[in-house]
Amino acid sequence: AQSVSQHNHHVILSEAASLELGCNYSYGGTVNLFWYVQYPGQHLQLLLKYFSGDPLVKGIKGFEAEFIKSKFSFNLRKPSVQWSDTAEYFCAVKGAGGNNRLAFGKGNQVVVIP
Amino acid sequence: GAGVSQSPSNKVTEKGKDVELRCDPISGHTALYWYRQSLGQGLEFLIYFQGNSAPDKSGLPSDRFSAERTGGSVSTLTIQRTQQEDSAVYLCASSFEGHTGELFFGEGSRLTVL
Repeated sequence: AQSVSQHNHHVILSEAASLELGCNYSYGGTVNLFWYVQYPGQHLQLLLKYFSGDPLVKGIKGFEAEFIKSKFSFNLRKPSVQWSDTAEYFCAVKGAGGNNRLAFGKGNQVVVIP
Repeated sequence: GAGVSQSPSNKVTEKGKDVELRCDPISGHTALYWYRQSLGQGLEFLIYFQGNSAPDKSGLPSDRFSAERTGGSVSTLTIQRTQQEDSAVYLCASSFEGHTGELFFGEGSRLTVL
C-alpha cells in the first residue's frame, strides 16, 4: 500500500515569504497526487492535483506543485504567501486504477504572520 | 444539499457507550471514504467503499469499529464500547470516480469520549 511523508509539520513565516512544503511517497506504480488544504474552521478542499502530463501543476490561489518521479516527490510551492494562506496542508497519494485508496500525509500546519 | 453531509457535527459520549456517525455523500458519487483526524496525526484512513465492490476495511483500528453503506448511498460508521482514544474528528468524503476523482469532504463529526 502507498504511504506519504510530509516534513516540517509546523511552519511559521511572514507575509510575502516563499513557501515550500515537501511531500514524498512510496508506491511502486503509477500514482495520482493531490494537495488538500484545510483553512481554520473549514472542511478539507482540493488545492491541486496531478494525474499525468506536465509535471508542474498549478492550483488555486497561486499554489503550484512539481511531480518529480525519480525522487517520488510532489512538493508544494507558493512564491509569496498571504495571511489568508494560514491553514493545514495535506499531501495525498493514490495508486492509479483499480480500487486503490487515497493515503494522506500527517499534514503541515502553516501560520503566516501579517 | 450539494455537499457531503455528516451528522452529528458534535457528539459527547461516555466511555463504553456505542455511537453512530452518519454520512450522506454527494448524489451519484460511487466512492465513499471514512477518515479519522486527530491532532498531530493527520488523516487516518478507516474504510473505503467503491460501488458494489467489497469495502476496503484495512484501516479500521479494532473490531469495535464497523461501517456500512446502504443502497450505495448513505453510510454509517459505528463505534462500539467507545474508549477515550476514540476521541477525534471523523471525516467522510465521496468521489464520483473511485480511482481518479477528487474527494469532496464533509464538515466532520467531532467525537469526544469522556
